Amino acid sequence: NAGVTQTPKFQVLKTGQSMTLQCAQDMNHNSMYWYRQDPGMGLRLIYYSASEGTTDKGEVPNGYNVSRLNKREFSLRLESAAPSQTSVYFCASLRPGQGIGKLFFGSGTQLSVL
Amino acid sequence: GIQVEQSPPDLILQEGANSTLRCNFSDSVNNLQWFHQNPWGQLINLFYIPSGTKQNGRLSATTVATERYSLLYISSSQTTDSGVYFCAIITQGGSEKLVFGKGTKLTVNP
Repeated sequence: NAGVTQTPKFQVLKTGQSMTLQCAQDMNHNSMYWYRQDPGMGLRLIYYSASEGTTDKGEVPNGYNVSRLNKREFSLRLESAAPSQTSVYFCASLRPGQGIGKLFFGSGTQLSVL
Repeated sequence: GIQVEQSPPDLILQEGANSTLRCNFSDSVNNLQWFHQNPWGQLINLFYIPSGTKQNGRLSATTVATERYSLLYISSSQTTDSGVYFCAIITQGGSEKLVFGKGTKLTVNP
């Protein structure tokens, strides 16, 4: 049981390049999330998916697209990377429970856009 | 929008000291969680505590939902407690979007 797995762990892009961050969970959770973390800003939600085939915008969705093709995987795509997207990106999934349950995170992707 | 405020922003302790971290929120909550981010960036879920009190070893948490705050207590702190502590909430009637505070950075010196 690996939990939430993100790839890659590190990435350097040039302005204008595209890339996809991959995330997979093996806990059979319905809800999955993408957050970005910047110094002094906490974690800000980019997109989330309540179930397979559904996605919704969070606080900072501009410049990103997501895809939830199946229950396990939720990918984040940068079509044309900008220096403002330099950040640490975290994927997470939500375990159902009483009310709404506990959030589990992947280990993060450190992205630099030059 | 939803406001989640954590205090203090920074805290420095000597090993063995106790501490209290606070999370204030602006709306009724359906979910409140505390996380620890260690110096290597890993985020660990500490407590799921929309109301009441829970304890796990040297850590305990209390949420008073009617007064819109939660407290995280760390007793007999150790250097391994260093890192950033975040609280995150989902408001009642909302979606499953967890909103995070900006965190409390804790440094425990030997």
